Amino acid sequence: RKEVEQDPGPFNVPEGATVAFNCTYSNSASQSFFWYRQDCRKEPKLLMSVYSSGNEDGRFTAQLNRASQYISLLIRDSKLSDSATYLCVVNNPTGGGNKLTFGTGTQLKVEL
Amino acid sequence: DGGITQSPKYLFRKEGQNVTLSCEQNLNHDAMYWYRQDPGQGLRLIYYSQIVNDFQKGDIAEGYSVSREKKESFPLTVTSAQKNPTAFYLCASSNPRAVNGYGYTFGSGTRLTVV
Repeated sequence: RKEVEQDPGPFNVPEGATVAFNCTYSNSASQSFFWYRQDCRKEPKLLMSVYSSGNEDGRFTAQLNRASQYISLLIRDSKLSDSATYLCVVNNPTGGGNKLTFGTGTQLKVEL
Repeated sequence: DGGITQSPKYLFRKEGQNVTLSCEQNLNHDAMYWYRQDPGQGLRLIYYSQIVNDFQKGDIAEGYSVSREKKESFPLTVTSAQKNPTAFYLCASSNPRAVNGYGYTFGSGTRLTVV
């Protein structure tokens, strides 16, 4: 079983739609959780951290369910510029440092 | 501005040759990482280093080597033993004391093609 699993998509949605991505992780000792965004042929960039209490940043909402080892990302009122691959990322502690494990990513295409 | 620089952006290598990818950071980060990304796949960890003069193998270290002689630099050598070296290579650095991972910064990557 992969450490971090995501639906690869692609999700093709019209502009203005609400889209939800899900992710599961296998290591119950994982401590921190993130969503990264990666544009085509570019490096990943941090989109937002994910907390058990849920957190919101504008049109983006992230949620963590530790009991189910499940992470979600909700994008409301999607824009053409949201088209990218969204990577679910988990931080597994390693001897005082941090080592991130990446999901394969979910591709989003927002269309007119 | 502080950041992490990878060079070159594109690299072509003949089969059987070793090649070294450069990664330099001026963020004063202790930890540095090398990931590989193949089309349709996630990032896979090759090597990481949490402190100068120390590094550990990641999930796919075979055919690669690294050194960490300076805090700012973490070069990756792709050896001829690496069976499928064509990929997008990403270097990252982080501050281990940044618990929430905000200190995890990526370089812009090197696309290696074996011809």
